Amino acid sequence: AQSVAQPEDQVNVAEGNPLTVKCTYSVSGNPYLFWYVQYPNRGLQFLLKYITGDNLVKGSYGFEAEFNKSQTSFHLKKPSALVSDSALYFCAVRDGGNFNKFYFGSGTKLNVKP
Amino acid sequence: GAGVSQSPSNKVTEKGKDVELRCDPISGHTALYWYRQSLGQGLEFLIYFQGNSAPDKSGLPSDRFSAERTGGSVSTLTIQRTQQEDSAVYLCASSPRQNPNEKLFFGSGTQLSVL
Repeated sequence: AQSVAQPEDQVNVAEGNPLTVKCTYSVSGNPYLFWYVQYPNRGLQFLLKYITGDNLVKGSYGFEAEFNKSQTSFHLKKPSALVSDSALYFCAVRDGGNFNKFYFGSGTKLNVKP
Repeated sequence: GAGVSQSPSNKVTEKGKDVELRCDPISGHTALYWYRQSLGQGLEFLIYFQGNSAPDKSGLPSDRFSAERTGGSVSTLTIQRTQQEDSAVYLCASSPRQNPNEKLFFGSGTQLSVL
């Protein structure tokens, strides 16, 4: 069955330090992977996606994500966190064999402390 | 419009009343999705439209929930005889076409509170 797991409900990091938000997935076809961010009282905003090609994908606001096929992971990273990065982050996957649905993870709350 | 528009932004209702939530997708977007986000939870898929038809209604929690889309544009999610467990943020999203590499564009959601 298709699914997405975000094992951490919350990630705390100090401003200026690197951050990682973890995501693993399960699909039967080729995975199409996405990261979204949600600020308070707002809808979700697209950050980046992996379709094919280079395993390291660069996106908005300095974020990047690394696709690892053998580990079925798509972790979100940023070399230097900002306080303004504090938000709720969602990983999502579409199954290339049946791409009608987006499957979303449960979300990870990122707290960046000054 | 410039983005996906949802109305109302907030709705407070009494248990047992019916509510209608509206979504106005980005012009020209053929795919439209409804999701529900409960406090502290992830996104729960409700229903998906391609044009005016709904090939996948599998996420609707009960027969109290229904949705329609007219003119390939505006969609309405209706909840009948609301219950307290229906309290959540209802998010609408649209996509230009049904293509696996297309991203979703989300509205700001409707916060539904059932008293």
